[in-house]
Amino acid sequence: SQTIHQWPATLVQPVGSPLSLECTVEGTSNPNLYWYRQAAGRGLQLLFYSVGIGQISSEVPQNLSASRPQDRQFILSSKKLLLSDSGFYLCAWSPGLAPLTQYFGPGTRLLVL
Amino acid sequence: RKEVEQDPGPFNVPEGATVAFNCTYSNSASQSFFWYRQDCRKEPKLLMSVYSSGNEDGRFTAQLNRASQYISLLIRDSKLSDSATYLCVVSGGSGTYKYIFGTGTRLKVLA
Repeated sequence: SQTIHQWPATLVQPVGSPLSLECTVEGTSNPNLYWYRQAAGRGLQLLFYSVGIGQISSEVPQNLSASRPQDRQFILSSKKLLLSDSGFYLCAWSPGLAPLTQYFGPGTRLLVL
Repeated sequence: RKEVEQDPGPFNVPEGATVAFNCTYSNSASQSFFWYRQDCRKEPKLLMSVYSSGNEDGRFTAQLNRASQYISLLIRDSKLSDSATYLCVVSGGSGTYKYIFGTGTRLKVLA
């Protein structure tokens, strides 16, 4: 069966520090991968998606970036965090495009101080 | 108008009650619809897909009304464990990468 991992689970970082969040998927190959952010009291906002190694599409201009160095690895990064980057970051995978279902990892809760 | 709209609630209902949530969407080209459940501080988990003819999974029934562009979720015989936030999800259209999430409807089932 497929599983999706994210780490770390929680993170407290100062403003201006760098960020690296990692997501890996097991039990499938060539998944579509997604990064979402959920701010308190708000819906999930799609940040990036990837349909293959090295292929990244950005949904929202911001100070975050994403990379996919391996088929089942998706990394979210920032060179300098802002207070507004605080939130719950969720990685998801799907076996293809809609109407196929997305499955979420456990998430990383980020607090920028 | 938001792409996907839900009543945020909370809906406070006693155990055993029947409760229904609606969700409206703006893109008439949307073809895939889902309900996810999200517990406090946890990731969303798929509850059920929503099919054109409507579908049922135990105590849960989902309906789609394309003409009025809304989907619904009915929960019968509510359990304490049903307390969660229910997210309505709509795809941007067949073959798209984009899934639009509502902000969720919070349900509290009371003993």
